[in-house]
Amino acid sequence: NAGVMQNPRHLVRRRGQEARLRCSPMKGHSHVYWYRQLPEEGLKFMVYLQKENIIDESGMPKERFSAEFPKEGPSILRIQQVVRGDSAAYFCASSQTTLDSEQYFGPGTRLTVT
Amino acid sequence: GESVGLHLPTLSVQEGDNSIINCAYSNSASDYFIWYKQESGKGPQFIIDIRSNMDKRQGQRVTVLLNKTVKHLSLQIAATQPGDSAVYFCAEINRGNEKLTFGTGTRLTIIP
Repeated sequence: NAGVMQNPRHLVRRRGQEARLRCSPMKGHSHVYWYRQLPEEGLKFMVYLQKENIIDESGMPKERFSAEFPKEGPSILRIQQVVRGDSAAYFCASSQTTLDSEQYFGPGTRLTVT
Repeated sequence: GESVGLHLPTLSVQEGDNSIINCAYSNSASDYFIWYKQESGKGPQFIIDIRSNMDKRQGQRVTVLLNKTVKHLSLQIAATQPGDSAVYFCAEINRGNEKLTFGTGTRLTIIP
């Protein structure tokens, strides 16, 4: 039973380019969460999605960031026109049900903006 | 506002000794708490959780204590091993809110 998978593991983008981060939840999980982690800091919630629906995007910047979780395929976190401040580790987690259900984390994508 | 904070950013413990990592939270509505372990270059790994209707929960070599009166959470690791070296985060979820709120983290170093 594969865990949460994220790709790419490392992504380098120049300022102004687009970054696409992918997350495949654990088998049987329909809830996906994205978090951002700056060096030496804790993870910060960005967005919570269920299949084809954004449930809570209160932690996601209003501009340049978007997320989707289509009926088929992985969840995508898209960052348009990246800036240096977007450099961070982005983690995806998935859970089977809602409240109190353990969230399993993927290995993360480390985005570096040059 | 809501916050989950840790008392100490770093902790060094002799191999074989017990370690205690502390966490304070400010939201009295928090009802579910989780400790995660994060090794360098990896995602957080679930260690143990506790609900607000409990004050203690034990796992293999780990114990979580919850003191709701002072809004304090602790993680005890018994007989520490080199593999316990990592950053430990506490996180909380409010009833009706799916998102985890993480603390800053404590870096635990096991001294051989």
